[in-house]
Amino acid sequence: DGGITQSPKYLFRKEGQNVTLSCEQNLNHDAMYWYRQDPGQGLRLIYYSQIVNDFQKGDIAEGYSVSREKKESFPLTVTSAQKNPTAFYLCATGDSSYNSPLHFGNGTRLTVT
Amino acid sequence: GNSVTQMEGPVTLSEEAFLTINCTYTATGYPSLFWYVQYPGEGLQLLLKATKADDKGSNKGFEATYRKETTSFHLEKGSVQVSDSAVYFCALSPNTGNQFYFGTGTSLTVIP
Repeated sequence: DGGITQSPKYLFRKEGQNVTLSCEQNLNHDAMYWYRQDPGQGLRLIYYSQIVNDFQKGDIAEGYSVSREKKESFPLTVTSAQKNPTAFYLCATGDSSYNSPLHFGNGTRLTVT
Repeated sequence: GNSVTQMEGPVTLSEEAFLTINCTYTATGYPSLFWYVQYPGEGLQLLLKATKADDKGSNKGFEATYRKETTSFHLEKGSVQVSDSAVYFCALSPNTGNQFYFGTGTSLTVIP
């Protein structure tokens, strides 16, 4: 069954700890994205990657890091430098062809206390 | 530049009422336009899309027409149901550079 898997669905961490959110896809899409969503807010782009071993900063990259070692995987690390990490994180993929939409995972809700 | 503006929520409607959620855009070139729906605690799901002027996207009773002259892509449904309660996002892709631009979302609650 093709899709995007984000794990875990809920994640709890103490302040000062780094945490890595997983995103795996079997849609064979070239592009992958990480968005942050805060309550009642729209989506803000953190990082995106169009090909393996390459990625670009989005609008709010500070305090986050990513890697793209495999086409299927695009993990996001929330570092202790992120001042307000509690949020809902969404991973998305796109196949880079003209007119194609983004496809989203079901998100990971991160709570840092 | 590229941007999307959609109407502020929240919107509350009675079941079987007519729904309109306004969306206007600014874009260079010839973007593709999308509506996504997000149910509580879930990711965004593609609801419909339109890829050129005067195209009408439709799905599950929802419709939106790509109006280049008014740079709009308003979402409509003739008779909403309780199950339509969700947050709706308008989005555009300029079709260059793999970037997408989202509106801030409009929360819809349908009451029986």
